[in-house]
Amino acid sequence: GDSVTQMEGPVTLSEEAFLTINCTYTATGYPSLFWYVQYPGEGLQLLLKATKADDKGSNKGFEATYRKETTSFHLEKGSVQVSDSAVYFCALGPSSGGSYIPTFGRGTSLIVHP
Amino acid sequence: DAEITQSPRHKITETGRQVTLACHQTWNHNNMFWYRQDLGHGLRLIHYSYGVHDTNKGEVSDGYSVSRSNTEDLPLTLESAASSQTSVYFCASSESGLAGGVDTQYFGPGTRLTVL
Repeated sequence: GDSVTQMEGPVTLSEEAFLTINCTYTATGYPSLFWYVQYPGEGLQLLLKATKADDKGSNKGFEATYRKETTSFHLEKGSVQVSDSAVYFCALGPSSGGSYIPTFGRGTSLIVHP
Repeated sequence: DAEITQSPRHKITETGRQVTLACHQTWNHNNMFWYRQDLGHGLRLIHYSYGVHDTNKGEVSDGYSVSRSNTEDLPLTLESAASSQTSVYFCASSESGLAGGVDTQYFGPGTRLTVL
């Protein structure tokens, strides 16, 4: 079945450092790909998404590119801030010919120090 | 603005009691979901619904039930609460994607349930 593998955390960075959180997936068909963010004490919220190969999703300085050839959707940000401290979830969405329910990775905790 | 709400936000109950967690959305979404979140397990799907009168079991459905009598609400019932059900519970809703299935999910703020 469909699955998502994220790098284990926590990821600890200093403010203004470069961020990469790796995400790879296994899926039947052609899923949409998502990054969700969960701030402390809150529910998840959409950070960005991509619906087809080579699409780049971007929001709040974060970017991720849908790489079909490597089945990856790595999250990047050029300069993190303390306010980016949160848990980040990679997820698969609609998959033509495959799963009709979302599949989430286990989440990666990011801690940014001043 | 459309939103998704959960109540209560915090609940303490005793083993064996029946508990119902409410979820209400004003997005008019057909798809609704219940997840639990535990350290070391990420998000796990309990039940989901694709529309009124439709319900489906997720990967951890034992001990839980849902019913969908209208578009806006999907209450989650723990028939006889157990300590293993102590967790944070999230409700979510979504539209259907172009290929069918599920598009962007909108999550509620969560309910922290403690079973003593």
